[in-house]
Amino acid sequence: ETGVTQTPRHLVMGMTNKKSLKCEQHLGHNAMYWYKQSAKKPLELMFVYNFKEQTENNSVPSRFSPECPNSSHLFLHLHTLQPEDSALYLCASSQDFRVYGYTFGSGTRLTVV
Amino acid sequence: KNEVEQSPQNLTAQEGEFITINCSYSVGISALHWLQQHPGGGIVSLFMLSSGKKKHGRLIATINIQEKHSSLHITASHPRDSAVYICAVIYGGSQGNLIFGKGTKLSVKP
Repeated sequence: ETGVTQTPRHLVMGMTNKKSLKCEQHLGHNAMYWYKQSAKKPLELMFVYNFKEQTENNSVPSRFSPECPNSSHLFLHLHTLQPEDSALYLCASSQDFRVYGYTFGSGTRLTVV
Repeated sequence: KNEVEQSPQNLTAQEGEFITINCSYSVGISALHWLQQHPGGGIVSLFMLSSGKKKHGRLIATINIQEKHSSLHITASHPRDSAVYICAVIYGGSQGNLIFGKGTKLSVKP
């Protein structure tokens, strides 16, 4: 365990469903991130939250909606997804990323059917 | 062309062999990460370095900022080292500025 916990580990959802991914860290980090990892592609940044405020939105479609209620929790709300959204979604956190880098969770493997 | 290139893409080795994975990048960076991703998907940070060399157990990472190149070495490789190794560079001041390579899939045979 890295200290960043993601649930669920696996999720299968239909294109009309609404679901949420959860990320939790109790490392005292002030920044949290969502990344997407599709097959054969590098990780792609989706969102960055710094002290609960969204500071980056990397042109992500509105069917992905992040929420950061406090510095320890991050959600990714999903609705009307497409099969091409099937991927591994990774959460990470950091505290002074220039010095200490990032801590990643184990990811949620999402399949859209 | 990706701004972070790794080679090789796939690597198969026999247990005990010395392994080198290379990473080249085209942007100015403040630091570089080497990450390890196991089949389950979770990512573990191995090293973050901005100059010189770091060693942890059987793993050694080096970086040459002038040549925009980094290497990850594994000495006395073991089947449990089998994983995908990812190079990622931090550039600029924004927390979102992390560019990833596609990864090198390493398989160590007993």
